[in-house]
Amino acid sequence: NAGVTQTPKFQVLKTGQSMTLQCAQDMNHNSMYWYRQDPGMGLRLIYYSASEGTTDKGEVPNGYNVSRLNKREFSLRLESAAPSQTSVYFCASSYRVSYTEAFFGQGTRLTVV
Amino acid sequence: DAKTTQPPSMDCAEGRAANLPCNHSTISGNEYVYWYRQIHSQGPQYIIHGLKNNETNEMASLIITEDRKSSTLILPHATLRDTAVYYCIVRYSSASKIIFGSGTRLSIRP
Repeated sequence: NAGVTQTPKFQVLKTGQSMTLQCAQDMNHNSMYWYRQDPGMGLRLIYYSASEGTTDKGEVPNGYNVSRLNKREFSLRLESAAPSQTSVYFCASSYRVSYTEAFFGQGTRLTVV
Repeated sequence: DAKTTQPPSMDCAEGRAANLPCNHSTISGNEYVYWYRQIHSQGPQYIIHGLKNNETNEMASLIITEDRKSSTLILPHATLRDTAVYYCIVRYSSASKIIFGSGTRLSIRP
């Protein structure tokens, strides 16, 4: 049981390049989330998907797009990377009820130069 | 979602109980209190959650005041491995967003 898997683990991009961060969960969870964490800061919600076929903006959605490809997969796309998007990105998943916990991936460390 | 307030940092001696406070004075009746921790930039890890009653599991205890405006996470016998940032989160029962605050950085002294 792998839980939440993120790929890649590390990435360096040049300003203006695009890339897609991949996230997959094998726990049959309804909801999935993307967060970013800047050095020394807490996690900020970028986008989330409450259930397959739906996506909603979080706290810091600008510069990102998401796709809920199916129940298992939720991808985050940077269309034109900027140095301000240098961060660690975490994906998470949970059942869509309040009394269960969310499970997090191990993160993607992205540097934009 | 209700806003939470936590002290930015705390320390505790190894082997002693670590008591981490959280204020959530605007909490509403159907909001749960969750605690997560993040060890050295790993993905956050769920610890415990509760609605009204105190809760205990193998990791920690959660004490929620009767008016539900604050709570305390208790690590009964802190070890060096408990050094982490601890996040208190309040979440609507029917909502899907999970919003993190700035958390408390807990340091355990040998």
